[in-house]
Amino acid sequence: AQSVTQLDSQVPVFEEAPVELRCNYSSSVSVYLFWYVQYPNQGLQLLLKYLSGSTLVKGINGFEAEFNKSQTSFHLRKPSVHISDTAEYFCAVSLMIKAAGNKLTFGGGTRVLVKP
Amino acid sequence: NAGVTQTPKFRVLKTGQSMTLLCAQDMNHEYMYWYRQDPGMGLRLIHYSVGEGTTAKGEVPDGYNVSRLKKQNFLLGLESAAPSQTSVYFCASSYSLAGGHTGELFFGEGSRLTVL
Repeated sequence: AQSVTQLDSQVPVFEEAPVELRCNYSSSVSVYLFWYVQYPNQGLQLLLKYLSGSTLVKGINGFEAEFNKSQTSFHLRKPSVHISDTAEYFCAVSLMIKAAGNKLTFGGGTRVLVKP
Repeated sequence: NAGVTQTPKFRVLKTGQSMTLLCAQDMNHEYMYWYRQDPGMGLRLIHYSVGEGTTAKGEVPDGYNVSRLKKQNFLLGLESAAPSQTSVYFCASSYSLAGGHTGELFFGEGSRLTVL
């Protein structure tokens, strides 16, 4: 079974500063990777996804993530955050094997607080 | 553009009571899921469905039942509610990629359940 670890439960950051949210996964087979964002009292929205191809993936709202197969990581970055980026961010993994069914496994989440 | 709709959005139950959460999607997605979200634990999969008339257990299925009689609806039932089921419940749906793997999930806004 796969697991997803988000190494930071909370990340405080000043407005206009860069931010990196770390995600590591464990799997013996290839995976699809996703980052979701959850604003207060809302459901989750997709930020970006890696299915194949270029390991640098660009998403919405200026976010990007890099898939590193050797380090089994999929870290999320933004060069300059805004107050509106205050939210909780979730990394998720889906195995690329049919036996796994059609399920995503989520990390525990990283809460980002952008300070003025 | 409704997407995924959950009802009710809030509910308070007493221990031992039963209830049903309804999820409806209008995107003709094959796959539907019920997750629960608890602080620091990310989202955990309760049950899921890969098509009308089919359901399967996720990682935390005990105390819950589901049904998918129509493609657009996925019901989550609690037969005898317990305080440990106090949580925020999210429904999601997704389309299938080549090979039957799931694409990104589209989430409802959540249903907050409190069991006293």
